[in-house]
Order: sequence, then C-alpha cells, then structure tokens
Amino acid sequence: ETGVTQTPRHLVMGMTNKKSLKCEQHLGHNAMYWYKQSAKKPLELMFVYNFKEQTENNSVPSRFSPECPNSSHLFLHLHTLQPEDSALYLCASSQDRTEYNEQFFGPGTRLTVL
Amino acid sequence: AQSVTQLDSQVPVFEEAPVELRCNYSSSVSVYLFWYVQYPNQGLQLLLKYLSGSTLVKGINGFEAEFNKSQTSFHLRKPSVHISDTAEYFCPVKGNKLVFGAGTILRVKS
Repeated sequence: ETGVTQTPRHLVMGMTNKKSLKCEQHLGHNAMYWYKQSAKKPLELMFVYNFKEQTENNSVPSRFSPECPNSSHLFLHLHTLQPEDSALYLCASSQDRTEYNEQFFGPGTRLTVL
Repeated sequence: AQSVTQLDSQVPVFEEAPVELRCNYSSSVSVYLFWYVQYPNQGLQLLLKYLSGSTLVKGINGFEAEFNKSQTSFHLRKPSVHISDTAEYFCPVKGNKLVFGAGTILRVKS
C-alpha cells in the first residue's frame, strides 16, 4: 500500500448504529486530518492530529469521535448520526503542521446515514 | 483568517481548448497557495503549489498557475485540455490552516 488509504470506501448505516472509519498513511508523516465533504459546500476541516495529539477540533458534534493511536493511523468513530451527516469523509496527512507542507489525501469514505 | 473564492462553480470547455480556472483569496497573513484536483469518486490530488519565488508555477498534467499578489489571485491554466481533465478543482490557501473554497467543476466536452 502506498499513500493514504481509507476503509471502508462506502458505508451505509442507520441512525442508531455505531461504526468506525479507518485511515492509514504510509508516508511517514506526523500530522493527520479528517475532513467532511458535503455536496455544494467547501471542504470542512473536522479534526487535526499532530504527533498523535489532537490539536484542532472545529466544533464537531460529539457523535463524531476521533482516535489517533499512532502517527500512521487515524480513526473516526461514529454513533447516533443524523441524515445530514451523510457526506464524503476524507482523511489527509502531511509531514507536520508547517504551513508549506502540502496535504496528501485518501480516496474518502462515502457515508450514507438512513 | 483566510478565505478563498473560486469564481466559477462550473466551467464547460471543448477538448483541446485552453482553460482558466479562477481563484481569489484574502488573508491577513502570508499564505501558501495550492491547487488540487478531485476526480470522480477519488480523493484530492495535488496539482501544484506556490510557496515563494517565481510567480509562475508549473504542475502536473500540463497545468500551471500564476500568483498575483496585487490582485490576490492564483488562477490555474492549461493551454489544451483533454477529456480526462474533467474533474473538480480546488485552490485552498494555507496560513495557519488550510482553507478551501467551493471548488470549480471542469467539464471537458468532445
């Protein structure tokens, strides 16, 4: 595997379900990010981790719970979601949080909440 | 704080024609500028970036962009597009965080 991988690629869940999204980066980076991409809206940064520590939470509802056990893996735990949470969830990584480092994105998980 | 405006939500163009995708930004701090492309059902891929130096930046797939500080713009250009360039294009700016605009969908027609 190379780059940033995400599993599953597609997920359909009910509002009472609990599920997790997984992201893994094979680039030796130290910063990882979760983004939400909804139709006709700019990408929304959700969480940032730098050296496994959460450095940013952009007012994300508590039904989204991130976890970063090491610099290569990032999870997004989901519970009691709402239909408006249906979106493409993108994971990204960068060397660190330095401004000039570009972010490398995974293919995303297409989430549908019924 | 930074913000990005991508002036066109969709740009239709015929194959082999030139194209320009417009991007304007505002920021109270120095920024770094990027262009990403997102093909259907895929993540974002970096096309090019401007950090400093020459204001004309060349990227992958024949794309280039020009940084214009006085007009706070970073427009993306390609002299001759292909069907395979059909995708959504984003020009985020990075000051203290990476801020995205709404994106521009490039539709290349045969």
